[in-house]
Amino acid sequence: DGGITQSPKYLFRKEGQNVTLSCEQNLNHDAMYWYRQDPGQGLRLIYYSQIVNDFQKGDIAEGYSVSREKKESFPLTVTSAQKNPTAFYLCASSLGGSSYNEQFFGPGTRLTVL
Amino acid sequence: GQQVMQIPQYQHVQEGEDFTTYCNSSTTLSNIQWYKQRPGGHPVFLIQLVKSGEVKKQKRLTFQFGEAKKNSSLHITATQTTDVGTYFCAGKLSFGAGTTVTVRA
Repeated sequence: DGGITQSPKYLFRKEGQNVTLSCEQNLNHDAMYWYRQDPGQGLRLIYYSQIVNDFQKGDIAEGYSVSREKKESFPLTVTSAQKNPTAFYLCASSLGGSSYNEQFFGPGTRLTVL
Repeated sequence: GQQVMQIPQYQHVQEGEDFTTYCNSSTTLSNIQWYKQRPGGHPVFLIQLVKSGEVKKQKRLTFQFGEAKKNSSLHITATQTTDVGTYFCAGKLSFGAGTTVTVRA
C-alpha cells in the first residue's frame, strides 16, 4: 500500500525544546517538501528536496532544519529558534522536483508548543 | 518572491447554487495546480492547467487558466455538501491562502 506517512499526528513540546517530525514515503518519489499551515494563510514552504543529500530553503526556513539521507525519508526539526512553532505541518512528495508534478500529501502533524 | 493570491477567503453557499473562486499570480506561471482539503484532512490534488486559456472540467467543477497565464478560476455548479472544504491554487510551489467553502442545506 503506497503512500506518505507522518508521525506523530499530535505533538506537544515545551518552549525551548527542539522537536523532530517524521515523514516517510514509499512512492519512490525523488522530491519531498515540508509546508506549514496556519489558519487563513494557506501552505507556506519551509524546505524542499529534489534529490537525496540535497535540499533548499523555502519561504520560511528560519528556525527549521532538515536532512535527506534516504530517498524515502525527509525529517523536519523545529528548533527552539523558531518563534511561533505552533502550527499544522504537512509533508509532501512528488515524482520530480518540477512544478508540473502533482504533490501527494501526508496526513500532517499538529504541533503545539506549551 | 512569487505571490499567489486567492479570493474570496471564505465562501458560504446555499446548496444548489454556483460559485467561483479566483487565483492571481504576481508573475507568469508555467502551470497552475488546484488542490482540495477537506476539514481535518490534507490537501488532495484536483487538476493541473498548463496552456494559456485552457479550460478543464471535472463533473460540476470547471477550471480555467487565463490567457496571460497569471490567473485561474474554479467554478462549481449546483454546490453539494460534498464540496465543503478549502480549495487551494498553487504555482511554482507557492500556494494561495485558499477559499474555504461552507454549504447551507
